[in-house]
Amino acid sequence: AQSVTQLDSQVPVFEEAPVELRCNYSSSVSVYLFWYVQYPNQGLQLLLKYLSGSTLVKGINGFEAEFNKSQTSFHLRKPSVHISDTAEYFCAVSALNTGGFKTIFGAGTRLFVKA
Amino acid sequence: DVKVTQSSRYLVKRTGEKVFLECVQDMDHENMFWYRQDPGLGLRLIYFSYDVKMKEKGDIPEGYSVSREKKERFSLILESASTNQTSMYLCASSPPLEGASYEQYFGPGTRLTVT
Repeated sequence: AQSVTQLDSQVPVFEEAPVELRCNYSSSVSVYLFWYVQYPNQGLQLLLKYLSGSTLVKGINGFEAEFNKSQTSFHLRKPSVHISDTAEYFCAVSALNTGGFKTIFGAGTRLFVKA
Repeated sequence: DVKVTQSSRYLVKRTGEKVFLECVQDMDHENMFWYRQDPGLGLRLIYFSYDVKMKEKGDIPEGYSVSREKKERFSLILESASTNQTSMYLCASSPPLEGASYEQYFGPGTRLTVT
């Protein structure tokens, strides 16, 4: 079975500053990794995903994430945030287990962008 | 674009009532999921379905049941609502695993309050 830990429950940051949202996972099998974003009063939408290949993945809205297998991490970064990036961000891990294909979501990180 | 719709955005029910939450997707996806989202806990899987009339328990199925009579529709049923089922409920769908991107597409959510 796999697990996901988002290391920060809330991240306040000023507009135009860089931000990193941290995600660590554990799994005994190969994984697929995702970041989803949830804007207020909306469902989740995919920001980016890592399935295979290049470990640096670029997503929508200027976000990127790097898969680090040795550190079992998949941290999300943006070099300059906007007020509109204020949202909750979820890291998710998918893996094929004996019971079937399963996706586990982290507890979420609330990003507050201040003017 | 994939569209996942949920029958209600907000719902208030009384303890003991039978509650139906409906979800419809328009992309002919085989897989459908019901999650509940609670602060600090992320998304927890209640039930999922890989095909019509097929269902599998997720991590927290107690107090819930599901129905999938048609491919595009997946219903979540609270047989006798209780106050601890007050939560945000999210429906999602995804294409078949073979050759797929493994991402899930989410509806906007139903915020259920049980009084």
